[in-house]
Amino acid sequence: AQTVTQSQPEMSVQEAETVTLSCTYDTSESDYYLFWYKQPPSRQMILVIRQEAYKQQNATENRFSVNFQKAAKSFSLKISDSQLGDAAMYFCAYNGNSGYALNFGKGTSLLVTP
Amino acid sequence: DSGVTQTPKHLITATGQRVTLRCSPRSGDLSVYWYQQSLDQGLQFLIQYYNGEERAKGNILERFSAQQFPDLHSELNLSSLELGDSALYFCASSVGAETNYGYTFGSGTRLTVV
Repeated sequence: AQTVTQSQPEMSVQEAETVTLSCTYDTSESDYYLFWYKQPPSRQMILVIRQEAYKQQNATENRFSVNFQKAAKSFSLKISDSQLGDAAMYFCAYNGNSGYALNFGKGTSLLVTP
Repeated sequence: DSGVTQTPKHLITATGQRVTLRCSPRSGDLSVYWYQQSLDQGLQFLIQYYNGEERAKGNILERFSAQQFPDLHSELNLSSLELGDSALYFCASSVGAETNYGYTFGSGTRLTVV
């Protein structure tokens, strides 16, 4: 099974600053999909951004963008102009052509300070 | 409100007991997925149903079972409960059988086994 690794258990950022959360994955597939999910204290899992591996262009959703490095199997999330509401657990997830379910990393807890 | 409804939100029960968790998918979604989230194991995929049929199985214990009914709601049955089964159980749904576009999650059921 593909493994997803988030090497930063906790990160901290000041309001209005930029932070990057890291994610690496292990796969032998060439076509797959990557996701970032946010889990705020309400515990609701919310889809933040999605990337298709066959697209070289990095996905962007407002203040959220990714740096997708296919050869390095790296998929980092950049949050610009951080807001207090961005404080949450962030999970990286992988879905390949041979898989029916999303495979999640262990998560990174993001703290946003005023 | 994500459109995926899980009940109950909280459940406290004793070891050895059996409980049923319920999930109603978002309108129009045919797939239902069950995940277990614990502090040490992270988000673990349990099982997927698509249009009433089991589609994929993950790390689901033999003491656990699930089904999807004709109205597409799903139930996860947990029996002979152990302390280690205490976790947050998520249901998620998607339109099709594949997960290329990610899921929509419910708000989860917090199970505490005492």
